[in-house]
Amino acid sequence: GAVVSQHPSRVICKSGTSVKIECRSLDFQATTMFWYRQFPKQSLMLMATSNEGSKATYEQGVEKDKFLINHASLTLSTLTVTSAHPEDSSFYICSAMDKYGYTFGSGTRLTVV
Amino acid sequence: GENVEQHPSTLSVQEGDSAVIKCTYSDSASNYFPWYKQELGKGPQLIIDIRSNVGEKKDQRIAVTLNKTAKHFSLHITETQPEDSAVYFCAATKAAGNKLTFGGGTRVLVKP
Repeated sequence: GAVVSQHPSRVICKSGTSVKIECRSLDFQATTMFWYRQFPKQSLMLMATSNEGSKATYEQGVEKDKFLINHASLTLSTLTVTSAHPEDSSFYICSAMDKYGYTFGSGTRLTVV
Repeated sequence: GENVEQHPSTLSVQEGDSAVIKCTYSDSASNYFPWYKQELGKGPQLIIDIRSNVGEKKDQRIAVTLNKTAKHFSLHITETQPEDSAVYFCAATKAAGNKLTFGGGTRVLVKP
């Protein structure tokens, strides 16, 4: 089946720094990828839809200047959390569309200290 | 936009019993309904899905039913095992490539 690789799995950063999370489709090309944030014991909340070669579409209330998304190739999308603060600490998950449906990455636990 | 509600939020069953999780959706145009299992610290894994042109689908101990008229769909797990313990999410979308709308999740605990 389709595989989506997400790195890193865990990251701790200092407040005010930036963190980049990578999402790769390993065995298929993904023109569309999705980025979610999940707080403890809550559901997945869509942050943005990433389309290869074009600007991402952000959900209402998500700061596009803070959460930078780049989808430069058909197999790679990146999410950069800029000037991270403790309230950005969360579980970030990417997802990619293949011909069968939606495949999710393993998630990135971001802790901002 | 689409709104998906999921019940119950927690479910405790004895090993070997059945578990049923129910979801309702608001947008009658939705036509794809996947179910995901999420274990602690991991991303969601697709366990079964159903499209609007069928009413039921089975895969071993797992089945999903869809009632388009009532706009609800359900996940049925039979002969539950401790490894079925996880959080389960339902979702809905209008078409492939569109964003998924998730239910709130159900935390399932299977007691040995």
